[in-house]
Amino acid sequence: DAGITQSPRYKITETGRQVTLMCHQTWSHSYMFWYRQDLGHGLRLIYYSAAADITDKGEVPDGYVVSRSKTENFPLTLESATRSQTSVYFCASKSWQENSPLHFGNGTRLTVT
Amino acid sequence: AQSVTQLDSQVPVFEEAPVELRCNYSSSVSVYLFWYVQYPNQGLQLLLKYLSGSTLVKGINGFEAEFNKSQTSFHLRKPSVHISDTAEYFCAVSSSGGSYIPTFGRGTSLIVHP
Repeated sequence: DAGITQSPRYKITETGRQVTLMCHQTWSHSYMFWYRQDLGHGLRLIYYSAAADITDKGEVPDGYVVSRSKTENFPLTLESATRSQTSVYFCASKSWQENSPLHFGNGTRLTVT
Repeated sequence: AQSVTQLDSQVPVFEEAPVELRCNYSSSVSVYLFWYVQYPNQGLQLLLKYLSGSTLVKGINGFEAEFNKSQTSFHLRKPSVHISDTAEYFCAVSSSGGSYIPTFGRGTSLIVHP
């Protein structure tokens, strides 16, 4: 089935560990995004990508790294997790048309202890 | 630059009552407007969108929204809500000819009481 899949759904890690959140979409959408959702802050954009090998920083990129070697995958890595990175992370994609909506995954709930 | 303001962080309402969730935006160019809904433990899904044409747009689950250019608003309405409409609702704006990155409001939590 076409869609956008995030894994894992839940992750608990320790401070200082590296953790990678996966995102895979089957629509061949050009654009992909990573957001974090926290109470009182709504959705905040971490990184985005216009195409394979093209990525750029969003509103809150510090402490995160992304890559996009293939159109369908857009992993997000926390190089050294901190408690402030405890959050729900959403991946989204959209087509190249400027008026197309975003399609979201079901999120990864990350807890950093 | 574009921005979105959702005027209410929480809207409590009784079942079968009407509801309006308010959204105001700012942009210097033509806009595309979206409402998304997020049910507990899920991602956001598109409820409806305004791209051009008729200012009244209908979405899924009986929701509708009206684009008002003079008031720069895109309020979401439903004439009779159900318990199952309890969710978080996000308004978003994209600007024509500009960045493809939409700007989201902070969300409105709709709480439907029996």
